[in-house]
Amino acid sequence: GAGVSQTPSNKVTEKGKYVELRCDPISGHTALYWYRQSLGQGPEFLIYFQGTGAADDSGLPNDRFFAVRPEGSVSTLKIQRTERGDSAVYLCASSLAIRSPLHFGNGTRLTVT
Amino acid sequence: AQSVTQPDIHITVSEGASLELRCNYSYGATPYLFWYVQSPGQGLQLLLKYFSGDTLVQGIKGFEAEFKRSQSSFNLRKPSVHWSDAAEYFCAVGGDTSGTYKYIFGTGTRLKVLA
Repeated sequence: GAGVSQTPSNKVTEKGKYVELRCDPISGHTALYWYRQSLGQGPEFLIYFQGTGAADDSGLPNDRFFAVRPEGSVSTLKIQRTERGDSAVYLCASSLAIRSPLHFGNGTRLTVT
Repeated sequence: AQSVTQPDIHITVSEGASLELRCNYSYGATPYLFWYVQSPGQGLQLLLKYFSGDTLVQGIKGFEAEFKRSQSSFNLRKPSVHWSDAAEYFCAVGGDTSGTYKYIFGTGTRLKVLA
């Protein structure tokens, strides 16, 4: 079956611009996670959703970052006033339920110039 | 809060040699433990998981890992490495923190395989 899909695969933007990153989880997966991976680092937790609500957003770095999942399926990570330090690979993962293994997408590589 | 340490940033082995990648975790209760592999330009793929029961777990691609509670470790092993195993490996721990469930990843170990 289809895996986790993330679009775009690459995004280049100028400092100060707004970006949206999209994640389509595996159908039927109730939990959805966003991670950020910088070069040479492991995935860093940002936020996770159980259904439509953000169950834990403690990893979001600041209020420029926001994520939604309005219908409990597709999620969008939104970054306002991008900074060069936001450059990273943003990974999305979904799981069938809490405590189930994560299934990852291939990520969106964000480059802020 | 849970945490994961992967002490080895880089490991180089010869093809056909055995492999052990170290992972130590910190968590107050019985953790859920995972190993993922990431090839260049790819997402993370689950190799194996430990939830409970038998402390030696088998995964895909000939990998296994052993949970040792007394050492807070979950080391990944493979008896004979193949060139295609060259990749980055991440250990992760899942647990309940403050009423929510999160997966925390280590910083990874990059494996290089010599022909």
